[in-house]
Amino acid sequence: KQEVTQIPAALSVPEGENLVLNCSFTDSAIYNLQWFRQDPGKGLTSLLLIQSSQREQTSGRLNASLDKSSGRSTLYIAASQPGDSATYLCAVLNTGTASKLTFGTGTRLQVTL
Amino acid sequence: EPEVTQTPSHQVTQMGQEVILRCVPISNHLYFYWYRQILGQKVEFLVSFYNNEISEKSEIFDDQFSVERPDGSNFTLKIRSTKLEDSAMYFCASKYTGADTQYFGPGTRLTVL
Repeated sequence: KQEVTQIPAALSVPEGENLVLNCSFTDSAIYNLQWFRQDPGKGLTSLLLIQSSQREQTSGRLNASLDKSSGRSTLYIAASQPGDSATYLCAVLNTGTASKLTFGTGTRLQVTL
Repeated sequence: EPEVTQTPSHQVTQMGQEVILRCVPISNHLYFYWYRQILGQKVEFLVSFYNNEISEKSEIFDDQFSVERPDGSNFTLKIRSTKLEDSAMYFCASKYTGADTQYFGPGTRLTVL
């Protein structure tokens, strides 16, 4: 059974810092991995999707990497801003399933002025 | 930009009552999903739906749950006899054929008293 873990559970950084969020998964037979952002009381916004054959994806100040063999992904946020404050979730889609995303526990990020 | 919408945003019900949560997926999407998030816990997959039938469901999705696409635009989740432990945020998601990214709605907060 796939288990997805994220560390740290919470992180507070001053504005302008670069930061890394970590995601690990136990079953490397994945089809893809997605990073989401969740604002309090709101839905999930997809940030980046990495296919199992890819090593990284970039979107603006965000860069996600994937090391499938070691069961790890990182989300790098450059030059953090207070508007980046949210909970970040990673989710994997296993091979053998058409649709079921397995989510991690999330990292709650606070970017302070 | 097209969005997944969900109604109501908050539903309060008494234990044992039936509830129907409604979703309008993005118009040209054909894959539909329900997930839930109990407060403080991970987002969990419930069910996926394609071509008017369930394609995959989790162990959570028992006989008390059902899904339906009653017309060309709506996708519903029905809980026949709600329990206290059904209290959660319920997210609908949809996906375009041939694409991988699932797009999530803002969620319905269900409170069972």
